Amino acid sequence: NAGVTQTPKFQVLKTGQSMTLQCAQDMNHEYMSWYRQDPGMGLRLIHYSVGAGITDQGEVPNGYNVSRSTTEDFPLRLLSAAPSQTSVYFCASSQRTTSYEQYFGPGTRLTVT
Amino acid sequence: AQSVAQPEDQVNVAEGNPLTVKCTYSVSGNPYLFWYVQYPNRGLQFLLKYITGDNLVKGSYGFEAEFNKSQTSFHLKKPSALGSDSALYFCAVRDGSATNKLIFGTGTLLAVQP
Repeated sequence: NAGVTQTPKFQVLKTGQSMTLQCAQDMNHEYMSWYRQDPGMGLRLIHYSVGAGITDQGEVPNGYNVSRSTTEDFPLRLLSAAPSQTSVYFCASSQRTTSYEQYFGPGTRLTVT
Repeated sequence: AQSVAQPEDQVNVAEGNPLTVKCTYSVSGNPYLFWYVQYPNRGLQFLLKYITGDNLVKGSYGFEAEFNKSQTSFHLKKPSALGSDSALYFCAVRDGSATNKLIFGTGTLLAVQP
């Protein structure tokens, strides 16, 4: 199993540009989520999904969209990039039952200039 | 609201000495608690979890954590630190909803010195 994969690893955007961060998992996990990591703030939940066709907002959803058309994929879209979205983005997945640990991807480092 | 606090930004320990990384939590209902480790330029890796049962939980790489309900703490411990333990450690709690959302602490950088 490849686990959780994310592309790209690095990205530089100009303010106002849009892009999609890709996330895929091959463990047949129902639950998937996106976090952003900023210094001194830990990880903050952006959006999450409990299954194909079902998504919901997390703690910091503004400026981001998600969709879940398949169990495997959970892309994160930045609609109009802003410097405040400069961060490291992590995708995670787990079995739906709440006692299970989450598996994290390697992250995408995004810089918005 | 559920929350997690990691009071130390950094913990320094000499190789071979015991280490403790502190975590306190605030939840309504029974807590589901987790520890994750992050090595440089990597994603988070699961270390251990407390759901129910014994207060001392054993995990990966020789780590363990002690759940203390009266002190609302879930400190991470290891009897003898290794240089390879140097990393960023995160405590997390499930947010109490029916989903698997986690609330993370701000992280503690563990530096093991030779």
